[in-house]
Amino acid sequence: QKEVEQDPGPLSVPEGAIVSLNCTYSNSAFQYFMWYRQYSRKGPELLMYTYSSGNKEDGRFTAQVDKSSKYISLFIRDSQPSDSATYLCALGRLGANSKLTFGKGITLSVRP
Amino acid sequence: DAGITQSPRHKVTETGTPVTLRCHQTENHRYMYWYRQDPGHGLRLIHYSYGVKDTDKGEVSDGYSVSRSKTEDFLLTLESATSSQTSVYFCAISDSQGSGGYTFGSGTRLTVV
Repeated sequence: QKEVEQDPGPLSVPEGAIVSLNCTYSNSAFQYFMWYRQYSRKGPELLMYTYSSGNKEDGRFTAQVDKSSKYISLFIRDSQPSDSATYLCALGRLGANSKLTFGKGITLSVRP
Repeated sequence: DAGITQSPRHKVTETGTPVTLRCHQTENHRYMYWYRQDPGHGLRLIHYSYGVKDTDKGEVSDGYSVSRSKTEDFLLTLESATSSQTSVYFCAISDSQGSGGYTFGSGTRLTVV
């Protein structure tokens, strides 16, 4: 079983839709949870960062973490065509030489 | 991206030739990483560095070497390029390892013909 699984997509929604992106993980040692957004032909950029179970909101974006079930979600409200991008989850843990573990990413297209 | 630059942005090279990609940062971050990104595989770690002259292998290190002689520069070398190394290469930096977010460069699109 891979450490991090992300829905493969792609996902296409109409403008204004609520989008839910999900990742599951198997290692309970993960303590830090991130979402990156990557526009076409650009590098990933950090979108959301959290380290506790529950919800974290930033504008139209909400990151949700459920450590007991080992899944994380990113919700996008009132989606816009400018949200069209690839979204990657990333998980981190403490420890010598530990590195982030990334999901494979899901490509979202928001249709006008 | 602010604080991290990759060069070149695009490169076409022939099979069997050596290629060096450069990552330069101005953030004075300790940790630097090289990833490749391919459809269906996501980001895969090639090599990383946790300080000057301190480097280690990632999950897809065969055929690649790295060097870090200064905090700000992390070089990735394809010793003898093959078509399977055609990819988009990203450098990332971080001031912490597992707990911090990474800042990525804009990428180098490498084509081996």
